[in-house]
Amino acid sequence: EIVMTQSPATLSVSPGERATLSCRASRSISTNLVWFQQKPGQAPRLLIYGASTRASGVPARFSGSWSGTEFTLTISSLQSEDFAVYYCQQYLDRPPFTFGQGTKLEI
Amino acid sequence: EVQLLESGGGLVQPGGSLILSCAASGFSFATSDMTWVRQAPGKGLEWVSGISGRDDRTFYIDSVKGRFTVSRDNSKNTLYLHMKSLRAEDTATYYCAKDLTQYVHWGQGTLVTVSS
Repeated sequence: EIVMTQSPATLSVSPGERATLSCRASRSISTNLVWFQQKPGQAPRLLIYGASTRASGVPARFSGSWSGTEFTLTISSLQSEDFAVYYCQQYLDRPPFTFGQGTKLEI
Repeated sequence: EVQLLESGGGLVQPGGSLILSCAASGFSFATSDMTWVRQAPGKGLEWVSGISGRDDRTFYIDSVKGRFTVSRDNSKNTLYLHMKSLRAEDTATYYCAKDLTQYVHWGQGTLVTVSS
């Protein structure tokens, strides 16, 4: 099983600042990675797929990048609605497609 | 518009059984892959099970193999998760999602509580 490790567990930032969230895979997953945003009481929302492609309707301030097995979600200028929990998930080959444990983005 | 609506959650005793349903509309359900993801209270997301739309091949995480069964009724556009021998650690909100990867469409979730 591929283990996904996210860091930090909690990130405290201010509106307008830049946020950088990390996700590391236990082995190579190419670019088979997605990022989700989840707000309290809601289902997750797909933000990024293929490690760097924004899903439909996702603002340009969200961007994804990678280097080897290290993946990064960057939010360039935080808006109030961006404070949420973010999850990465790998989808290499066949299921199970494991999630990271999440990063809570808080003010 | 794609819609997914889960139902069937509730309180069940340890060792008990429950069947979750996910009613789908707005897309070609019969040819679509589907997934179940769960989230324990205050915890992260956990991929649970999936079923292929092409050949009905099924997939499970190790912790539910032999206890959970995913199935579908294409005539009713409904996905199911049959759960037996339930444990306290199965307590979670269960979401269905369209596709095996890159889930754009999710249901609102149904809460399963395993407790005596």
